[in-house]
Amino acid sequence: DAKTTQPPSMDCAEGRAANLPCNHSTISGNEYVYWYRQIHSQGPQYIIHGLKNNETNEMASLIITEDRKSSTLILPHATLRDTAVYYCIVSSNNNDMRFGAGTRLTVKP
Amino acid sequence: DTAVSQTPKYLVTQMGNDKSIKCEQNLGHDTMYWYKQDSKKFLKIMFSYNNKELIINETVPNRFSPKSPDKAHLNLHINSLELGDSAVYFCASSQGIGYTFGSGTRLTVV
Repeated sequence: DAKTTQPPSMDCAEGRAANLPCNHSTISGNEYVYWYRQIHSQGPQYIIHGLKNNETNEMASLIITEDRKSSTLILPHATLRDTAVYYCIVSSNNNDMRFGAGTRLTVKP
Repeated sequence: DTAVSQTPKYLVTQMGNDKSIKCEQNLGHDTMYWYKQDSKKFLKIMFSYNNKELIINETVPNRFSPKSPDKAHLNLHINSLELGDSAVYFCASSQGIGYTFGSGTRLTVV
């Protein structure tokens, strides 16, 4: 049973912000939202995580709605190298990451 | 100096053979994992070990046996390989937040 719902694919123009949505309407109070991405033929890469506050790091920003039922990963200036499958994961256990189908983001020149 | 290294990178073998995939991490992490990514690209957890102790064991055929000689190593041994075992196998490690994945081992069973 999937804990998250993501669109299967999205396009973004190079240099523009990429906003990737994730629905997690059944999230529990102790569950964090994690984002990973997988560039073609590579292992997944951790991007960011959050509980309820918005978070930002050198890779991306994570916006979590006040009711925590959805979140958005923002890549502020997408480049061609950001083309990847992006996974949104909800988990209360750092040691238990279950990957769904993700969103295939294609950044176009 | 690769943080999580898997060997071999590619493995082609016949049905019925026994093979092993090795994983080593030099990050000092306590927890290591094996994931399987099939042809449909779904990435599924198989096993996880914390300080050499098995903590996650998904519904994986018992032909698959993980072995952790120390916390820096988690090897995957597969007996009696079947066509359906063809996939990319990823090793990962973590200490707190964020997994570090290896580059994968592409196993092809013919």
